[in-house]
Amino acid sequence: SAVISQKPSRDICQRGTSLTIQCQVDSQVTMMFWYRQQPGQSLTLIATANQGSEATYESGFVIDKFPISRPNLTFSTLTVSNMSPEDSSIYLCSVPGVGNTIYFGEGSWLTVV
Amino acid sequence: GIQVEQSPPDLILQEGANSTLRCNFSDSVNNLQWFHQNPWGQLINLFYIPSGTKQNGRLSATTVATERYSLLYISSSQTTDSGVYFCAVEPTGGGNKLTFGTGTQLKVEL
Repeated sequence: SAVISQKPSRDICQRGTSLTIQCQVDSQVTMMFWYRQQPGQSLTLIATANQGSEATYESGFVIDKFPISRPNLTFSTLTVSNMSPEDSSIYLCSVPGVGNTIYFGEGSWLTVV
Repeated sequence: GIQVEQSPPDLILQEGANSTLRCNFSDSVNNLQWFHQNPWGQLINLFYIPSGTKQNGRLSATTVATERYSLLYISSSQTTDSGVYFCAVEPTGGGNKLTFGTGTQLKVEL
């Protein structure tokens, strides 16, 4: 299984500010994915982070709000920009592993006040 | 896009009881996984099961792909089984992108 580390694990932020979440994987992977889980809700895919090209965003998510970097095959960042209380969520990074199993990081709990 | 519905939405069990959680999906899938989300938010892989039956200790799962549903069985439940159980699917041609179900919130009481 893949080992996925996320930082920060938890943060409280002021509205209007931005926060960058890091995701580090212990092996090289072609694709990395970012998901959001709003309080009491299921997980929703934000975007696919592609190495060497721009991220691919799902409907309802835009690059200006959630810019993503993918500088190499083991690392990605997701920035939540100009935050509002509605951005309070768990943000999770995921990667495909052996045998098509998808693995998730521990998640980054973000509270916007 | 593909729809994924889980039932029941909430479940309360006494320790030692058995339960069955269901996941219905609306289209053919390459991948189906069951996850347990613990109170700290961590998603724990339970099963990768696009078809067939698997067992791991007190847990087992069955997916009938032709009928587009999957079942997760929990036997002899323990308080540590509490949390949210998610079914997630990757549609055929979905490129490792998972669509998550609505979840089942399980609470196991002494």
